Amino acid sequence: AQKITQTQPGMFVQEKEAVTLDCTYDTSDPSYGLFWYKQPSSGEMIFLIYQGSYDQQNATEGRYSLNFQKARKSANLVISASQLGDSAMYFCAMREDYQAGTALIFGKGTTLSVSS
Amino acid sequence: EAGVTQFPSHSVIEKGQTVTLRCDPISGHDNLYWYRRVMGKEIKFLLHFVKESKQDESGMPNNRFLAERTGGTYSTLKVQPAELEDSGVYFCASSQFSAGHPYEQYFGPGTRLTVT
Repeated sequence: AQKITQTQPGMFVQEKEAVTLDCTYDTSDPSYGLFWYKQPSSGEMIFLIYQGSYDQQNATEGRYSLNFQKARKSANLVISASQLGDSAMYFCAMREDYQAGTALIFGKGTTLSVSS
Repeated sequence: EAGVTQFPSHSVIEKGQTVTLRCDPISGHDNLYWYRRVMGKEIKFLLHFVKESKQDESGMPNNRFLAERTGGTYSTLKVQPAELEDSGVYFCASSQFSAGHPYEQYFGPGTRLTVT
Protein backbone atom coordinates (compact mmCIF):
# COMPACT_ATOMS: atom_id res chain seq x y z
CA ALA A 1 0.00 0.00 0.00
CA GLN A 2 1.13 3.51 -0.70
CA LYS A 3 2.31 5.35 2.38
CA ILE A 4 4.25 8.41 3.44
CA THR A 5 5.92 8.52 6.86
CA GLN A 6 7.18 11.65 8.57
CA THR A 7 8.61 10.61 11.92
CA GLN A 8 9.40 14.08 13.29
CA PRO A 9 6.32 15.78 14.74
CA GLY A 10 8.39 18.87 15.55
CA MET A 11 11.81 20.25 14.73
CA PHE A 12 13.63 23.24 16.17
CA VAL A 13 16.42 25.15 14.47
CA GLN A 14 18.18 28.48 14.85
CA GLU A 15 18.28 31.08 12.15
CA LYS A 16 20.93 30.56 9.49
CA GLU A 17 21.34 26.90 10.35
CA ALA A 18 20.42 24.07 7.98
CA VAL A 19 17.70 21.60 8.88
CA THR A 20 16.64 18.25 7.44
CA LEU A 21 13.04 17.08 7.55
CA ASP A 22 12.66 13.35 7.12
CA CYS A 23 10.30 11.56 4.79
CA THR A 24 10.11 7.91 3.84
CA TYR A 25 7.68 6.44 1.39
CA ASP A 26 6.38 3.08 0.29
CA THR A 27 5.12 2.22 -3.15
CA SER A 28 5.36 -0.63 -5.61
CA ASP A 29 4.93 1.67 -8.61
CA PRO A 30 8.29 2.37 -10.33
CA SER A 31 6.93 5.67 -11.62
CA TYR A 32 6.12 8.19 -8.91
CA GLY A 33 6.66 11.76 -7.85
CA LEU A 34 7.56 13.16 -4.47
CA PHE A 35 6.54 16.61 -3.27
CA TRP A 36 7.07 18.88 -0.32
CA TYR A 37 4.55 21.49 0.70
CA LYS A 38 4.79 24.22 3.33
CA GLN A 39 1.78 25.28 5.37
CA PRO A 40 2.34 28.48 7.36
CA SER A 41 0.00 29.52 10.14
CA SER A 42 -2.16 31.34 7.59
CA GLY A 43 -3.22 27.93 6.31
CA GLU A 44 -2.41 27.92 2.61
CA MET A 45 -0.41 25.05 1.14
CA ILE A 46 2.66 26.23 -0.72
CA PHE A 47 4.44 23.94 -3.15
CA LEU A 48 8.18 23.83 -2.48
CA ILE A 49 9.91 21.13 -4.48
CA TYR A 50 9.32 18.08 -6.65
CA GLN A 51 11.36 14.94 -7.40
CA GLY A 52 10.43 12.39 -10.04
CA SER A 53 11.37 8.76 -9.47
CA TYR A 54 13.37 8.68 -12.69
CA ASP A 55 15.22 11.92 -12.07
CA GLN A 56 18.94 11.29 -11.87
CA GLN A 57 19.81 14.31 -9.81
CA ASN A 58 18.40 15.60 -6.54
CA ALA A 59 15.96 18.45 -6.98
CA THR A 60 16.89 21.92 -5.77
CA GLU A 61 14.82 25.11 -5.54
CA GLY A 62 16.65 28.01 -3.97
CA ARG A 63 17.29 27.19 -0.31
CA TYR A 64 15.36 23.93 -0.61
CA SER A 65 16.88 20.68 -1.75
CA LEU A 66 15.53 17.17 -1.76
CA ASN A 67 17.86 14.40 -0.63
CA PHE A 68 16.45 11.55 -2.71
CA GLN A 69 17.69 8.09 -1.78
CA LYS A 70 15.71 5.72 -3.94
CA ALA A 71 17.04 2.45 -2.54
CA ARG A 72 16.15 3.58 0.98
CA LYS A 73 12.85 5.08 -0.20
CA SER A 74 13.58 8.35 1.46
CA ALA A 75 13.02 11.91 0.25
CA ASN A 76 14.27 14.24 2.93
CA LEU A 77 13.86 18.00 2.60
CA VAL A 78 16.90 20.08 3.39
CA ILE A 79 16.44 23.77 4.14
CA SER A 80 19.69 25.69 4.14
CA ALA A 81 20.20 28.94 6.02
CA SER A 82 16.90 28.82 7.90
CA GLN A 83 14.89 32.02 8.23
CA LEU A 84 12.22 33.00 10.75
CA GLY A 85 9.69 32.85 7.93
CA ASP A 86 10.42 29.16 7.47
CA SER A 87 8.49 28.41 10.66
CA ALA A 88 5.55 26.35 9.42
CA MET A 89 4.25 22.83 9.01
CA TYR A 90 5.87 20.84 6.22
CA PHE A 91 4.18 17.99 4.41
CA CYS A 92 5.80 15.32 2.30
CA ALA A 93 3.55 13.86 -0.38
CA MET A 94 3.71 11.28 -3.12
CA ARG A 95 1.87 10.65 -6.33
CA GLU A 96 2.07 7.38 -8.20
CA ASP A 97 2.27 7.39 -11.98
CA TYR A 98 3.85 10.79 -11.86
CA GLN A 99 2.95 11.71 -15.41
CA ALA A 100 -0.73 11.48 -14.64
CA GLY A 101 -2.94 13.78 -12.65
CA THR A 102 -3.57 11.35 -9.84
CA ALA A 103 -4.13 12.31 -6.22
CA LEU A 104 -1.45 13.02 -3.65
CA ILE A 105 -0.82 10.90 -0.57
CA PHE A 106 0.39 12.94 2.37
CA GLY A 107 2.39 12.32 5.51
CA LYS A 108 1.28 13.68 8.88
CA GLY A 109 3.59 16.65 8.63
CA THR A 110 6.47 18.13 10.62
CA THR A 111 6.22 21.43 12.46
CA LEU A 112 9.39 23.46 12.04
CA SER A 113 10.16 26.25 14.48
CA VAL A 114 12.96 28.67 13.64
CA SER A 115 14.30 30.86 16.43
CA SER A 116 16.54 33.91 16.35
CA GLU B 1 -2.88 34.89 -12.54
CA ALA B 2 -5.33 34.19 -9.74
CA GLY B 3 -4.68 31.14 -7.58
CA VAL B 4 -7.13 28.58 -6.31
CA THR B 5 -9.81 30.22 -4.22
CA GLN B 6 -12.17 28.67 -1.71
CA PHE B 7 -15.28 29.95 -0.02
CA PRO B 8 -16.05 30.27 2.80
CA SER B 9 -12.80 30.39 4.72
CA HIS B 10 -14.54 29.21 7.85
CA SER B 11 -17.93 27.67 8.53
CA VAL B 12 -19.49 26.75 11.83
CA ILE B 13 -22.68 24.68 11.65
CA GLU B 14 -24.69 22.45 13.91
CA LYS B 15 -24.86 18.72 13.55
CA GLY B 16 -27.57 17.80 11.05
CA GLN B 17 -27.29 20.99 9.02
CA THR B 18 -26.10 21.28 5.46
CA VAL B 19 -22.99 23.09 4.28
CA THR B 20 -21.72 23.75 0.78
CA LEU B 21 -18.09 24.52 0.13
CA ARG B 22 -16.96 26.11 -3.10
CA CYS B 23 -13.68 25.94 -4.97
CA ASP B 24 -12.60 27.99 -7.96
CA PRO B 25 -9.54 26.40 -9.58
CA ILE B 26 -6.87 28.20 -11.55
CA SER B 27 -8.31 29.14 -14.91
CA GLY B 28 -7.63 26.48 -17.51
CA HIS B 29 -6.85 23.70 -15.05
CA ASP B 30 -8.74 20.58 -16.00
CA ASN B 31 -7.86 18.66 -12.84
CA LEU B 32 -9.56 19.58 -9.59
CA TYR B 33 -9.09 17.76 -6.30
CA TRP B 34 -10.69 17.86 -2.88
CA TYR B 35 -8.74 16.90 0.22
CA ARG B 36 -9.56 16.99 3.91
CA ARG B 37 -7.44 17.26 7.01
CA VAL B 38 -8.98 16.22 10.28
CA MET B 39 -7.21 17.60 13.36
CA GLY B 40 -3.88 15.86 13.97
CA LYS B 41 -4.18 13.50 11.03
CA GLU B 42 -2.91 13.33 7.49
CA ILE B 43 -4.39 15.27 4.65
CA LYS B 44 -6.62 12.75 2.92
CA PHE B 45 -7.78 12.69 -0.67
CA LEU B 46 -11.52 12.87 -1.25
CA LEU B 47 -12.04 13.04 -4.99
CA HIS B 48 -10.65 14.12 -8.34
CA PHE B 49 -12.41 15.77 -11.27
CA VAL B 50 -11.12 15.94 -14.79
CA LYS B 51 -13.13 18.74 -16.31
CA GLU B 52 -16.70 18.00 -15.24
CA SER B 53 -16.24 14.25 -14.79
CA LYS B 54 -15.41 12.47 -11.56
CA GLN B 55 -12.17 10.64 -12.27
CA ASP B 56 -11.71 9.16 -8.82
CA GLU B 57 -14.04 9.45 -5.84
CA SER B 58 -12.54 6.64 -3.81
CA GLY B 59 -11.78 8.92 -0.89
CA MET B 60 -15.32 10.17 -0.31
CA PRO B 61 -16.20 8.99 3.20
CA ASN B 62 -19.90 8.30 2.66
CA ASN B 63 -22.99 9.35 0.76
CA ARG B 64 -23.48 12.43 2.92
CA PHE B 65 -20.83 14.05 0.75
CA LEU B 66 -21.74 15.21 -2.75
CA ALA B 67 -19.33 16.93 -5.09
CA GLU B 68 -20.12 18.61 -8.36
CA ARG B 69 -18.16 20.53 -10.92
CA THR B 70 -20.37 22.63 -13.12
CA GLY B 71 -19.20 22.96 -16.71
CA GLY B 72 -15.70 21.95 -15.70
CA THR B 73 -15.11 25.22 -13.90
CA TYR B 74 -15.80 25.71 -10.19
CA SER B 75 -16.65 22.85 -7.87
CA THR B 76 -18.88 22.50 -4.84
CA LEU B 77 -18.71 20.00 -2.03
CA LYS B 78 -21.92 19.58 -0.07
CA VAL B 79 -22.15 17.83 3.25
CA GLN B 80 -25.71 16.84 4.16
CA PRO B 81 -26.41 16.21 6.98
CA ALA B 82 -23.19 17.21 8.71
CA GLU B 83 -21.84 15.10 11.54
CA LEU B 84 -19.30 15.99 14.24
CA GLU B 85 -16.58 13.89 12.58
CA ASP B 86 -16.84 16.00 9.43
CA SER B 87 -15.03 18.85 11.17
CA GLY B 88 -11.69 19.65 9.62
CA VAL B 89 -10.03 21.71 6.94
CA TYR B 90 -11.16 21.05 3.39
CA PHE B 91 -8.60 21.85 0.73
CA CYS B 92 -9.14 22.19 -2.97
CA ALA B 93 -6.32 21.90 -5.48
CA SER B 94 -6.02 22.13 -9.23
CA SER B 95 -3.44 21.04 -11.75
CA GLN B 96 -2.58 20.92 -15.41
CA PHE B 97 0.25 19.17 -17.16
CA SER B 98 3.36 21.27 -17.59
CA ALA B 99 6.83 20.19 -18.59
CA GLY B 100 9.17 19.94 -15.65
CA HIS B 101 6.40 19.97 -13.08
CA PRO B 102 3.96 17.37 -14.33
CA TYR B 103 0.54 17.91 -12.79
CA GLU B 104 1.88 20.01 -9.95
CA GLN B 105 -1.07 20.66 -7.68
CA TYR B 106 -1.80 24.19 -6.53
CA PHE B 107 -3.77 24.39 -3.34
CA GLY B 108 -6.36 26.84 -2.15
CA PRO B 109 -6.31 28.29 1.37
CA GLY B 110 -8.80 25.75 2.66
CA THR B 111 -12.19 25.96 4.34
CA ARG B 112 -12.21 25.25 8.05
CA LEU B 113 -15.45 23.43 8.87
CA THR B 114 -16.56 23.13 12.46
CA VAL B 115 -19.59 21.00 13.26
CA THR B 116 -20.99 21.49 16.76
